[in-house]
Amino acid sequence: EIVMTQSPATLSVSPGERATLSCRASQNLNTQLAWYQQKLGQAPRLLIRHASARATGIPARFSGSGSGTEFTLTISSLQSEDVAVYYCQQYIDWPTFGQGTKVE
Amino acid sequence: EVQLVQSGGEIKKPGESLTISCEGSGYRFANYWIAWVRQMTGKGLELMGIIYPGDSDTRYNPSFQGQVTISADKSISTAYLQWKSLKASDSAIYYCVRRSEWGYYMDVWGKGTTVTISS
Repeated sequence: EIVMTQSPATLSVSPGERATLSCRASQNLNTQLAWYQQKLGQAPRLLIRHASARATGIPARFSGSGSGTEFTLTISSLQSEDVAVYYCQQYIDWPTFGQGTKVE
Repeated sequence: EVQLVQSGGEIKKPGESLTISCEGSGYRFANYWIAWVRQMTGKGLELMGIIYPGDSDTRYNPSFQGQVTISADKSISTAYLQWKSLKASDSAIYYCVRRSEWGYYMDVWGKGTTVTISS
């Protein structure tokens, strides 16, 4: 099983500031990585696929980067509605998720 | 609009059986894999298993093999997750999700079904 490790566990960011979330894989993923956003009491929704491609309807302030084993999700200017838990997920093998980063 | 509509929350006792459902609409249901994802309270996400409704090809996460059964009826665009004998540790939110045709990531999520097991 590929283990996904996210850091930090919690990130405190002021509105308008940049948020940088990290995700590390235990094996090479190439770019087979997705990011999801889960707001409190809601289902997750797809933000980023193939490490850097925004899903339909996702604002441009969300961007993904990385390849291999190191990946980053950046929120360029945090909005209040971005408060959520963010998960990374690998899909080069049976899909596994990171434990999440809470952005507050 | 592409949607996955899940059945309502359930409260059950240990040892009871349960089947929850997920109806797809707005797309060709038979042609996309449907997966079930578990989220225990305050915890992360686990992919339990996945089914291709077109031919009912089913794959399970080894952690859930033998514990649940995933099935689908393409004629009514519905997938199911079944337990024969529930345990307290099965209490969780269960999401029905659609696997993208472009990779093993989840592009459409249902709202989730909360299952509570309590004696």
